[in-house]
Amino acid sequence: VIWMTQSPSLLSASTGDRVTISCRMSQGISSYLAWYQQKPGKAPELLIYAASTLQSGVPSRFSGSGSGTDFTLTISCLQSEDFATYYCQQYYSFPFTFGPGTKVDIK
Amino acid sequence: QVQLQESGPGLVKPSQTLSLTCTVSGGSISSGGYYWSWIRQHPGKGLEWIGYIYYSGSTYYNPSLKSRVTISVDTSKNQFSLKLSSVTAADTAVYYCARVGGVVAASNWFDPWGQGTLVTVSS
Repeated sequence: VIWMTQSPSLLSASTGDRVTISCRMSQGISSYLAWYQQKPGKAPELLIYAASTLQSGVPSRFSGSGSGTDFTLTISCLQSEDFATYYCQQYYSFPFTFGPGTKVDIK
Repeated sequence: QVQLQESGPGLVKPSQTLSLTCTVSGGSISSGGYYWSWIRQHPGKGLEWIGYIYYSGSTYYNPSLKSRVTISVDTSKNQFSLKLSSVTAADTAVYYCARVGGVVAASNWFDPWGQGTLVTVSS
């Protein structure tokens, strides 16, 4: 099983800030990584797949980078609708696993 | 655009079997090209992948749940289903169905998702 950590677990930020979330794997996964955004009471929504490919319809302020064991999700200019919890997911090997999440809240 | 909707009992007694169905609209399961998956989220916690199925019936399950899980597909109804046996309070969670990005290993992300349904295990 591939274990994942995310940091920070909680990020307090203001609208307009540039924020970065880290996801680290227990072993290398090439670029087989996705990022999701989840708002309270809602299902997760896909933001990025293949580590850096933006899903259709996702604003360009979101970007992803990394390969191997270390990955990053960046929001270049935080908007009010971006306050949510973000999860990474590896699909390099079974069972697919998710990171524990990073909550982005208002400072 | 493809949409998914979960349905099933919101309350299950301990030791019984949890049964949920996901109805797909806007696309046909039998056209192939995608796996169809179940994922759950314990209250206030992270996400756990349960398993997935192809329209042909081939499945893959999370080993942590494999002994209790059955995922099946009904292409005539454009639905797929989850059964989880011998449930305990630890199975209380929001259960989501989702489409997998593709059938190749490099496409195994989840999009779109159903809205989710809370299943509580309690006597």
